Amino acid sequence: EVQLLESGGGLVQPGGSLRLSCAASGFTFSSYAMGWVRQAPGKGLEWVSGISASGYSTNHGDSVKGRFTISRDNPRNTLYLQMNSLRAEDTAVYYCAKVTGDWGAPRHFDYWGQGTLVTVSS
Amino acid sequence: DIQMTQSPSTLSASVGDRVTITCRASQSISSWLAWYQQKPGKAPKLLIYQASSLESGVPSNFSGSGSGTEFTLTISSLQPDDFATYYCQQYSSYWTFGQGTKVEIK
Repeated sequence: EVQLLESGGGLVQPGGSLRLSCAASGFTFSSYAMGWVRQAPGKGLEWVSGISASGYSTNHGDSVKGRFTISRDNPRNTLYLQMNSLRAEDTAVYYCAKVTGDWGAPRHFDYWGQGTLVTVSS
Repeated sequence: DIQMTQSPSTLSASVGDRVTITCRASQSISSWLAWYQQKPGKAPKLLIYQASSLESGVPSNFSGSGSGTEFTLTISSLQPDDFATYYCQQYSSYWTFGQGTKVEIK
């Protein structure tokens, strides 16, 4: 059974940093691209970042480009999101999601974690 | 970037109703479109991929259609468990979601 478990959320001041983790199990982690999607309170879904199976290719949405970095540790089956220069508008539940294959071809998300809440406030 | 526009934003319906949600892409995405269902406090759940393919385990009263820039999600007979928010997502070029359609009880 595929399981994705996010951790690392919490309260952080504007301008601060936070690193989210997503522990994956139930599938061959190193064979699949992964992504982060967020949802601000009462709002819709917004794709944040994506990473290829190897970790060599990444991309980020315009709203976080230059501030957030996605990475992965395949031997540890773990996905990360390093978030720097946080703003109030980054307040959201952050979900990690498994892609149905690797980078380089159209792929959707098939499994999602339960999310971790990040609150940016002074 | 590809923009996705869903309509309506909110839909009031009764159990047994046929419900249709529309999603439009700002440019052609072929059939690279998925639909997700989300309930309050829960993660999104995949319903449909490649515009019309039903995900395993999803009830057959859900169906999707369309290609290019116009897509629809249809629930043929609304069930109590179907009251939720629905999102379309393009995956032709990275990923973009529509703003969501909340299906509420009439």
